[in-house]
Amino acid sequence: EAQVTQNPRYLITVTGKKLTVTCSQNMNHEYMSWYRQDPGLGLRQIYYSMNVEVTDKGDVPEGYKVSRKEKRNFPLILESPSPNQTSLYFCASSWKGPSFAEQYFGPGTRLTVT
Amino acid sequence: QKEVEQNSGPLSVPEGAIASLNCTYSDRGSQSFFWYRQYSGKSPELIMSIYSNGDKEDGRFTAQLNKASQYVSLLIRDSQPSDSATYLCAVTDVGAGGTSYGKLTFGQGTILTVHP
Repeated sequence: EAQVTQNPRYLITVTGKKLTVTCSQNMNHEYMSWYRQDPGLGLRQIYYSMNVEVTDKGDVPEGYKVSRKEKRNFPLILESPSPNQTSLYFCASSWKGPSFAEQYFGPGTRLTVT
Repeated sequence: QKEVEQNSGPLSVPEGAIASLNCTYSDRGSQSFFWYRQYSGKSPELIMSIYSNGDKEDGRFTAQLNKASQYVSLLIRDSQPSDSATYLCAVTDVGAGGTSYGKLTFGQGTILTVHP
């Protein structure tokens, strides 16, 4: 089954404790992206990757890191989480080219930072 | 920074009616436009993409694009209670003939409720 998976699905952590949210896709997609969703603000893009070892900032990259060492995986790293990073996070992937914006989304990770 | 604006709603329509969802964008360089549907507690899923001015129909859904006026709309005909969801408009500056990719900017979404 073609899918994007994220782990964990739910996470409660404390300020400053480093965490990683994993994202994996089995569709051989070149493009992967991370978003956060907050009430009233919609989906905002954090980082995206066009291929292995190629990443770029989205609209809200501060406080986040990413890496793309393998085509299928695109982890999101919060080195020192803060309460304002409490949010619902989605990973997405797609094919390269003009249809990159036709994205498949993972199930989401709800993060709470206390 | 690009802005994509949607009326957050909620938009309430009776079953069988036409639901009209609107989206405006600030960047004249925007080339490609998308509508995603998000059920409560679920992830977004793509329902329509439109790359050129005019109308594009897919079943009960019609996307309309007017680049001169910088708006894109989604019409849902014969609305059903199962259409009740949040509809997200998304925009990118990568055109249909482009070979690059990059940022995708979403609006805040419109909540649609279809009541029996």
